[in-house]
Amino acid sequence: GAVVSQHPSWVICKSGTSVKIECRSLDFQATTMFWYRQFPKQSLMLMATSNEGSKATYEQGVEKDKFLINHASLTLSTLTVTSAHPEDSSFYICSARDYRVEETQYFGPGTRLLVL
Amino acid sequence: QKEVEQNSGPLSVPEGAIASLNCTYSDRGSQSFFWYRQYSGKSPELIMSIYSNGDKEDGRFTAQLNKASQYVSLLIRDSQPSDSATYLCAVNSINTGNQFYFGTGTSLTVIP
Repeated sequence: GAVVSQHPSWVICKSGTSVKIECRSLDFQATTMFWYRQFPKQSLMLMATSNEGSKATYEQGVEKDKFLINHASLTLSTLTVTSAHPEDSSFYICSARDYRVEETQYFGPGTRLLVL
Repeated sequence: QKEVEQNSGPLSVPEGAIASLNCTYSDRGSQSFFWYRQYSGKSPELIMSIYSNGDKEDGRFTAQLNKASQYVSLLIRDSQPSDSATYLCAVNSINTGNQFYFGTGTSLTVIP
């Protein structure tokens, strides 16, 4: 299957700082990428849909000014958690849609964020 | 009504048995169906995709799709302890702009 990478895999930061997470499709071009958040023992929660060259579409209840998404190229989307607080500590996972394979979504390995 | 529903489990089966995971969906226009496996602390990994009615086999895994009844299932034969994970069903529909809907997942434990 297609390969999606995420960086960093782990980040610990102080409250009030901003954290940027990168999501890359390594062997295909992804015009659409998705950002999810998952708390322990809970299901995936879609945060936003990231479209190359346009503004992201955020799910209800997700603050777009807090979770900044940029999809500047066909292989890279970034999520910036601005002014992070302990309640933002979670597992952030991106996925990329591969149009070559019936819209299949491939997931990155995830980024674990801990805000102290 | 949720777009995709799964029994959250937990489902426990003995090693070597068949594990059966079920999923129902609400949008009749759904066209693509996927099963993902998620180990604890890891991101989901695609196991199977199915697009037409019937069975699709890949090794020990068989996906079954019945569009008339709006359900899709995953059978795992000869279950192994390494199959213990949460299994996510996902459905894609052009009716909703290719929106991807995930179920909440079924937790499977294979007992040695």
